[in-house]
Order: sequence, then C-alpha cells, then structure tokens
Amino acid sequence: GAVVSQHPSWVICKSGTSVKIECRSLDFQATTMFWYRQFPKQSLMLMATSNEGSKATYEQGVEKDKFLINHASLTLSTLTVTSAHPEDSSFYICTYSSLSSYEQYFGPGTRLTVT
Amino acid sequence: QKEVEQNSGPLSVPEGAIASLNCTYSDRVSQSFFWYRQYSGKSPELIMSIYSNGDKEDGRFTAQLNKASQYVSLLIRDSQPSDSATYLCAVAPSTGNQFYFGTGTSLTVIP
Repeated sequence: GAVVSQHPSWVICKSGTSVKIECRSLDFQATTMFWYRQFPKQSLMLMATSNEGSKATYEQGVEKDKFLINHASLTLSTLTVTSAHPEDSSFYICTYSSLSSYEQYFGPGTRLTVT
Repeated sequence: QKEVEQNSGPLSVPEGAIASLNCTYSDRVSQSFFWYRQYSGKSPELIMSIYSNGDKEDGRFTAQLNKASQYVSLLIRDSQPSDSATYLCAVAPSTGNQFYFGTGTSLTVIP
C-alpha cells in the first residue's frame, strides 16, 4: 500500500509557540489529504481536508487561523498549530485518500505536548 | 450528521476464542466500510475493507456487512494476545471522501 510519513513523530513545545507538522506521501502523488486529531481514549476527529493548490476545508469548530494547513505540492502537506495551548496537546494524524481504491492511508502520527 | 457507533467495551476474550466487534452507521448512502486496529500511541492500521453485503474473510479475520440493517461487524478467530488493541470502524460514502470513524472498541485478549 501507499506510504505516508509524518515529521516530527513527537514534539514538546511551550504554550504560545507554533509547531509545524509535515505529512509526506512517499510513493504517490496525493491530491487530497486529511488531517485528524485524536485525544486520549477518543476516536479520530477530522479537522480539515487539504487539497493541493487550494485552500483547505475545515470542519465545524476547527479554527482556521489556529490550525494552518498548506498543501503546496502533490507530496507534502503541512499543519501548523499557531499559539499552541495545553488543550492542543493531542495525537495528530494525516491520511491520504485514494480515489481509485476507497482506502485511506495513514501517516504514523505526531504526538504534540504543549506545556 | 453521519454517525458511526461502536460499543466502547472493553471487550475481554480468552486466548483462542472468537472476538466479535460490531458497528452500526446512520448514512444509507455509505458505500465502503473499513476496520482499523490501533495500538496505544500508534496510528491506525487497516485490517479489513468490505464493500458488498455478506462475509469477507482474510486469515483469522472475517468482516460481515448488512447494508439493509446498516450493520458491519468484525470477527477475530483464534484470538491472540497480540490482537489486544482498539478497533475502529470507518465508513465512507464514496471514493476519495472523508471517513467517519466510530469511537472504537477496546479488545483485550487474556492469555
């Protein structure tokens, strides 16, 4: 199956700083990627859909100015958490949806801890 | 609101037994259905996908889909301690669209 990487795998930052998470598709060109957030013992919550070359579509309740998504190329999408707060501490996962096989391919996730 | 519901568990089964995981969904136009396994601290990994009514078997895993009842299940035969994880049901209306995930069922296989 398709390979998706994320960097960093974990990050600790201080409250008020910004953190950028990269999501790369290693063996395919991803026109659409999805960003999810998962709090402990909860399911994945879709944050936004990232389309190459256009603005991301955010889910209701997700602040566009706080979670900046850039999908500038067919192999790279980034999520920047701006002015992070402790409540932003979570597991962030990107996925690529295949238009031909119905499946979603998951990145390994990024554990963000804001102190 | 598209909803996917699962029993949160925890579900405990002895090693070698059959574990049965259930999922119901509310959106009748859903076309594709997936079961993911997630170990603590890790990203989900795909276990099974099913698109048509009936059963689909892959090794120790069998997925069952009943679109009329809006129900999809996963059976794990000969359960192993390594199967202990959270199992997520995901539903998608069509290709390329977002998935809707259930809250997951925690499974513990007791040696």
